[in-house]
Amino acid sequence: EVQLVESGGGLVQPGGSLRLSCAASGFTLRSHWMHWVRQAPGKGLVWVSRINADGTTTDYADSVKGRFTISRDNAKNTLYLQMNSLRAEDTALYYCARVDLGGVLDNWGQGALVTVSS
Amino acid sequence: EIVLTQSPGTLSLSPGERATLSCRASQRVSSSYLAWYQQRPGQAPRLLIYGASIRATGIPDRFSGSGSGTDFTLTISRLEPEDFAVYYCHQYDISPRTFGQGTKVEIK
Repeated sequence: EVQLVESGGGLVQPGGSLRLSCAASGFTLRSHWMHWVRQAPGKGLVWVSRINADGTTTDYADSVKGRFTISRDNAKNTLYLQMNSLRAEDTALYYCARVDLGGVLDNWGQGALVTVSS
Repeated sequence: EIVLTQSPGTLSLSPGERATLSCRASQRVSSSYLAWYQQRPGQAPRLLIYGASIRATGIPDRFSGSGSGTDFTLTISRLEPEDFAVYYCHQYDISPRTFGQGTKVEIK
């Protein structure tokens, strides 16, 4: 069974940093592109970032470019999102998601809640 | 970026009724790259349809997707109690990927 489990969320002050992890199991992580998608409380889904299978290509939404860094450790079956210079508007549930079936996000974790507040 | 506009915002229906959800794109989306997700309260999004019309594994056949170009539709033929949720369309054709704002299907 494919499983994605996020961790590392929490409360952080504006300007602070946080690193999210996404532990993958039930499939071979190194074979898949991976994405982060976030959802502010009561709002819709917003794409954040993506990384290719071997970690050499990354892409970001304009709203997080220069502040967030996506990475992966395929040997540890783990995806990461380093978030720096956090703002109140970054408050959201952050989901990691696997790419399959021709590019669709087919499996999602349960999310890690990030709250940016003083 | 491609803007996806879903309508209606809320759909109030009774179990057993048919639900028709619309997703309109601001520019053409290849049918191969349009998906629909279901999100129940407190849960992660669940893939229902990809490639505009292909049901994901384990999805009941009461869910169907159709459309092309800029207009796409998700149809639930007979609503079951577990189908009352929020539904999102998603295009993964043109970067950045984008989602519609969601349609809430609620019990009337």
